[in-house]
Amino acid sequence: AQSVTQPDIHITVSEGASLELRCNYSYGATPYLFWYVQSPGQGLQLLLKYFSGDTLVQGIKGFEAEFKRSQSSFNLRKPSVHWSDAAEYFCAVGGAGNNRKLIWGLGTSLAVNP
Amino acid sequence: DGGITQSPKYLFRKEGQNVTLSCEQNLNHDAMYWYRQDPGQGLRLIYYSQIVNDFQKGDIAEGYSVSREKKESFPLTVTSAQKNPTAFYLCASSFGGVEETQYFGPGTRLLVL
Repeated sequence: AQSVTQPDIHITVSEGASLELRCNYSYGATPYLFWYVQSPGQGLQLLLKYFSGDTLVQGIKGFEAEFKRSQSSFNLRKPSVHWSDAAEYFCAVGGAGNNRKLIWGLGTSLAVNP
Repeated sequence: DGGITQSPKYLFRKEGQNVTLSCEQNLNHDAMYWYRQDPGQGLRLIYYSQIVNDFQKGDIAEGYSVSREKKESFPLTVTSAQKNPTAFYLCASSFGGVEETQYFGPGTRLLVL
């Protein structure tokens, strides 16, 4: 079955600390992978996406993610977190075989301590 | 400015009432989507449309209906058959391919009186 798992429901980090949000997927075909961010009461915004090529992808706001096919993972990282990064983060996977629909993870809520 | 607008920001529904959520985009996108978001459940696809006058059911279409008469507009009607409509509703659009970025509106929060 196709699925996306974000193992951490909630994470708290201190401002300036590094961050890694985990995303594991199960998908039968070559996956297209996405990370979106949602501020409270707002819509979602794309942070980055991966289709092919270099497995380390750079995104907006200083985020990056690494695709590891052997581990079926697409973890999101940031070397130094800012208070404004507090938000909900969603991983999603799609592919040509799913009628162009994305499969979404349940999200990870990030809190940042000053 | 290009983007997606959703209205209203808050919507109240009475028992047995149908309500319609508006979604408009001026990004010239072919595909549009409606998602429902409940706490702890992520995003669930209600309906999507890849082209004008065509749409498909998503994972939780029961109790909802849509139309796509114009490329720019994709309204969602929450019918009285939807027994638990309280949620945050998000509209998105994209150029249609699964690799394309989905752009989201600010959302509509639906509450039941």
